[in-house]
Amino acid sequence: EAQVTQNPRYLITVTGKKLTVTCSQNMNHEYMSWYRQDPGLGLRQIYYSMNVEVTDKGDVPEGYKVSRKEKRNFPLILESPSPNQTSLYFCASSTTSGTANTEAFFGQGTRLTVV
Amino acid sequence: QKEVEQNSGPLSVPEGAIASLNCTYSDRGSQSFFWYRQYSGKSPELIMFIYSNGDKEDGRFTAQLNKASQYVSLLIRDSQPSDSATYLCAVMSYKLSFGAGTTVTVRA
Repeated sequence: EAQVTQNPRYLITVTGKKLTVTCSQNMNHEYMSWYRQDPGLGLRQIYYSMNVEVTDKGDVPEGYKVSRKEKRNFPLILESPSPNQTSLYFCASSTTSGTANTEAFFGQGTRLTVV
Repeated sequence: QKEVEQNSGPLSVPEGAIASLNCTYSDRGSQSFFWYRQYSGKSPELIMFIYSNGDKEDGRFTAQLNKASQYVSLLIRDSQPSDSATYLCAVMSYKLSFGAGTTVTVRA
């Protein structure tokens, strides 16, 4: 079954404690991205990756890191989480950007609370 | 200027009516356009995609694209209470960008 898997689904952590949210896809997609969703602001892109070892900042990259060492995995790293990073996070993958019919598949979401 | 803008809503329509959602985008080089539906706390799910000018119909949904005006719309005919959700417009250029979403409530 084609899917994007995020873990964990829910996470409560304390300010400053490093954390990683994992994302894995089994569709051999080149393009992967991370979004955060906050009330009234829609989906805002944090980082995206065109392929292995190719990543770029989205609209709200501050306080986040990513890596793309393998095609299937695209972890999101918060080195020193702060309360303003409390949000609902989604990972998505699709075939190569810029071509038609590039439907994005989403993970189940990770609800992060930083206290 | 935001890359993708949607009418902010919320939009309330009676059951059986037509719900009309609008979206504009800034990058003229954008090639693919999507409408996603998202229920509260859930992942977005694709309901329509379009990449050629004109209309595309799928059941009760019609997407319209006008690249010259940089405009995409979604019509939901015969609206049902189950259509109550947030609808996200997404545009793919060199990256996939989303609008803020329009919340639709269908009144029984």
